[in-house]
Amino acid sequence: DARVTQTPRDKVTEMGQEVTMRCQPILGHNTVFWYRQTMKQGLELLAYFRNRAPLDDSGMPKDRFSAEMPDATLATLKIQPSEPRDSAVYFCASTSGTEAFFGQGTRLTVV
Amino acid sequence: AQSVTQLGSHVSVSEGALVLLRCNYSSSVPPYLFWYVQYPNQGLQLLLKYTSAATLVKGINGFEAEFKKSETSFHLTKPSAHMSDAAEYFCAVSAVSGNTPLVFGKGTRLSVIA
Repeated sequence: DARVTQTPRDKVTEMGQEVTMRCQPILGHNTVFWYRQTMKQGLELLAYFRNRAPLDDSGMPKDRFSAEMPDATLATLKIQPSEPRDSAVYFCASTSGTEAFFGQGTRLTVV
Repeated sequence: AQSVTQLGSHVSVSEGALVLLRCNYSSSVPPYLFWYVQYPNQGLQLLLKYTSAATLVKGINGFEAEFKKSETSFHLTKPSAHMSDAAEYFCAVSAVSGNTPLVFGKGTRLSVIA
């Protein structure tokens, strides 16, 4: 059963700490998205990659967020330093064509 | 540019009643349209998608949606609601194909009353 795997599922951290979220896309999918879900803003795109190359990261605060794909089986989203306003659920999704498959999300709480 | 408007942040129906969740889109190119469902503390699961083939699209769990270009709508329906349908539903649009980013609506929470 192919699925997108995200770790950790939950993360509580103190303001100012670095946070790294990981995503394993479905094998063979060449496009990976990072979305953030909050009550206020809903689901918004942070960044996405195709064949490991970043295509759009305009949704990310550049001074503190970074997204990478070290290889085809791993995508990472880092926040440094984290702030309380970063508290949200972060979703990774992957696709090879007409539909995106979502992971279970990482629920981040910054205190 | 693309956008999606979901009418009604919360819809409540009785078990066995018709479910109708409304979605209107705006797109400068022929759209790909999707409905996703999200259960508490879960990711998003695809219910159905419109990719310029048949305008009436059937999905999982008895849901279907009809693409109406003249009304720029893609409403989601199910003839008879089950308790297990209670969840958050998101309409989304993407340009060109499904491997471009999705633009989501704000979501509609569906409650099913016994």
